[in-house]
Amino acid sequence: EVHLAESGGGLVQPGTSLRLSCVGTGFSFDDYAMHWVRQAPGRGLEWVSGLAWNGGAIRYADFVEGRFTISRDNAKNSLYLQMHSLRLEDTALYYCAKDDAFDVWGQGTMVTVSS
Amino acid sequence: QAGLTQPPSVSKGLGQIAILTCTGNSNNVGFKGVAWLQQHQGHPPKLLSHRNNNRPSGISERFSASRSGNTASLAISGLQPEDEADYYCLVWDTSLDAWVFGGGTKLTVL
Repeated sequence: EVHLAESGGGLVQPGTSLRLSCVGTGFSFDDYAMHWVRQAPGRGLEWVSGLAWNGGAIRYADFVEGRFTISRDNAKNSLYLQMHSLRLEDTALYYCAKDDAFDVWGQGTMVTVSS
Repeated sequence: QAGLTQPPSVSKGLGQIAILTCTGNSNNVGFKGVAWLQQHQGHPPKLLSHRNNNRPSGISERFSASRSGNTASLAISGLQPEDEADYYCLVWDTSLDAWVFGGGTKLTVL
């Protein structure tokens, strides 16, 4: 069964850092692009970042403003999102999604930025 | 970022047809294939259709996507109670060099 599992979320203070992880199982992880998408409480979906199967073609949403770094380790079937300078407005459920078809999603990991 | 416009809410009766729209511009909807996702409260999104009308296996034929110019549409026929959910369109924007979601439409089945 194809499965994505995010981890690494938590409650952090503004200005601090956090690293999210996503492990993919049940498919050839290194064949697919991967993405991070977030959803603030009660709000819609917002694409954060994505990268190609080989770690290239990295793209970010404008609101990232150089604060986040996406990466992957295909040997570990893992996708990462390193987040720095977190803001109150970064509070959201962060999902990873498979492929440019966004055909498989994890359950998400919650990031809460609060003082 | 450039917005994809979706009506915030649509209400239709059981067994009827609902048509959800997603309006963009020539750099996104008018240029690339649109994906549609369904999200039930408290659950992750689920892909219904990608590249305008390619349904993943297991997705009912009651869901049908199309595009005309800069507007994409998702038609849901024979509405069932379980179709009550939020629906999002998603497309690559060539001018932004980024993926863009619509604001979502909450579908209520009466």
